[in-house]
Amino acid sequence: GAVVSQHPSRVICKSGTSVKIECRSLDFQATTMFWYRQFPKQSLMLMATSNEGSKATYEQGVEKDKFLINHASLTLSTLTVTSAHPEDSSFYICSAAGTGGPFNYGYTFGSGTRLTVV
Amino acid sequence: GQQLNQSPQSMFIQEGEDVSMNCTSSSIFNTWLWYKQDPGEGPVLLIALYKAGELTSNGRLTAQFGITRKDSFLNISASIPSDVGIYFCAFSQGGSEKLVFGKGTKLTVNP
Repeated sequence: GAVVSQHPSRVICKSGTSVKIECRSLDFQATTMFWYRQFPKQSLMLMATSNEGSKATYEQGVEKDKFLINHASLTLSTLTVTSAHPEDSSFYICSAAGTGGPFNYGYTFGSGTRLTVV
Repeated sequence: GQQLNQSPQSMFIQEGEDVSMNCTSSSIFNTWLWYKQDPGEGPVLLIALYKAGELTSNGRLTAQFGITRKDSFLNISASIPSDVGIYFCAFSQGGSEKLVFGKGTKLTVNP
């Protein structure tokens, strides 16, 4: 149980284009999803917290107009990197928190998306 | 702000050796977590700790939540090559609160 699927695993895009990353909870309802960014040889940095049906809460220094988050259902959250630039190249990871049992508290992570902007 | 110090930054050991790494925080937290991350993958939860003083095992892994709720350690016994990876500690206030991650400990196991 507690599987989080993230897609795509890798994406290469041209500078100025937008990229959408999906995060799905496969066997539980995720009331809260978290989006992280990880640069090479660094730790995970929380970008934003999204609750189903409401606006995401962004961490300080994260541009909400650049990193659009949608959490329209209890099993799907999306992160769209708009007008991507090479400095946005990174490893993006989601995690999901559900209700009940071992699914609490955002402990289950997706497998990550490697974004390369050229 | 909340600070989380994880040490050591990296470790190089021989297969079969035991390993210990720890994390300390500047504040008290309700939940400590230990994750392992392989290259190009998301973190995988190893052990979750919820009570001060709690000692929990998962196979060859053992972790403890410090009495003061400001620290935790992770031990790996009889290391094997597949233990290679980056180990992260993380804490939260519980519930669906966000996690704060340590900087990680990179483990290399020489066969």
